[in-house]
Amino acid sequence: SQTIHQWPATLVQPVGSPLSLECTVEGTSNPNLYWYRQAAGRGLQLLFYSVGIGQISSEVPQNLSASRPQDRQFILSSKKLLLSDSGFYLCAWSELRIEAFFGQGTRLTVV
Amino acid sequence: GDSVTQMEGPVTLSEEAFLTINCTYTATGYPSLFWYVQYPGEGLQLLLKATKADDKGSNKGFEATYRKETTSFHLEKGSVQVSDSAVYFCALRDGDMRFGAGTRLTVKP
Repeated sequence: SQTIHQWPATLVQPVGSPLSLECTVEGTSNPNLYWYRQAAGRGLQLLFYSVGIGQISSEVPQNLSASRPQDRQFILSSKKLLLSDSGFYLCAWSELRIEAFFGQGTRLTVV
Repeated sequence: GDSVTQMEGPVTLSEEAFLTINCTYTATGYPSLFWYVQYPGEGLQLLLKATKADDKGSNKGFEATYRKETTSFHLEKGSVQVSDSAVYFCALRDGDMRFGAGTRLTVKP
C-alpha cells in the first residue's frame, strides 16, 4: 500500500534562516506531488505541483522553492524565511484523476 | 482557471441536527470532486468522492451528489455528532487539485 511521510512535524525557525521540508512517498511510481500551505484559520493554498522529476509548477511568486530530485521525493525550501512564511505545510500525492493523499503536515513558526 | 467556492463558516449545530455545507465549482473540463475532513493538528483525510455527473459519494453518514447542471457538490449529513466537529474542504481534480477555503463545523452536545 502507498504511504506518505512528511517531516519534521513541527519547526520553529528565526527570520532569515533557511528552510528545508521533505516529503517522500512509498508504494507508487511517478506520482503527482503537491505542496500546500494553510495559514491559521484559512484554507489551502497550492504552492507547488510536480508531475515528474525536475518538473515543478509554481502557483504564486513567493519566498519558497520546490525540488523533486527523485521520483518519490519532494522538497520545499527557502533561503531566507519571512514571518509571513509561518503556517501549516502539507505535502500530498495523487495519481491521475483520483484523490490526493496527504501527509500529517509540518507546523512552521517563524520567529 | 478551475476553482472551488464553499460556504463560509463557522457552522455551529446541536447534536443530531441536519448538516448542509454548500460547494460550487468552476472548471473547463470534467473534474472529479471530493470532500476532505481535517481534524485539529492533522493532515486532510478523504471523506468521499464522485468522479462523474450524477455520482453520489457517501461515507460515515455523509453524502454529496455531483450535479453538473448546477456545478455543485453539497455535503449533507442527516444527524451530526460531536465527533464530526472538524474543518471540511471541498475540492476538485482536473489536473492539479484545487480546494475551497474550508468550513469549520462545531457540533455541541
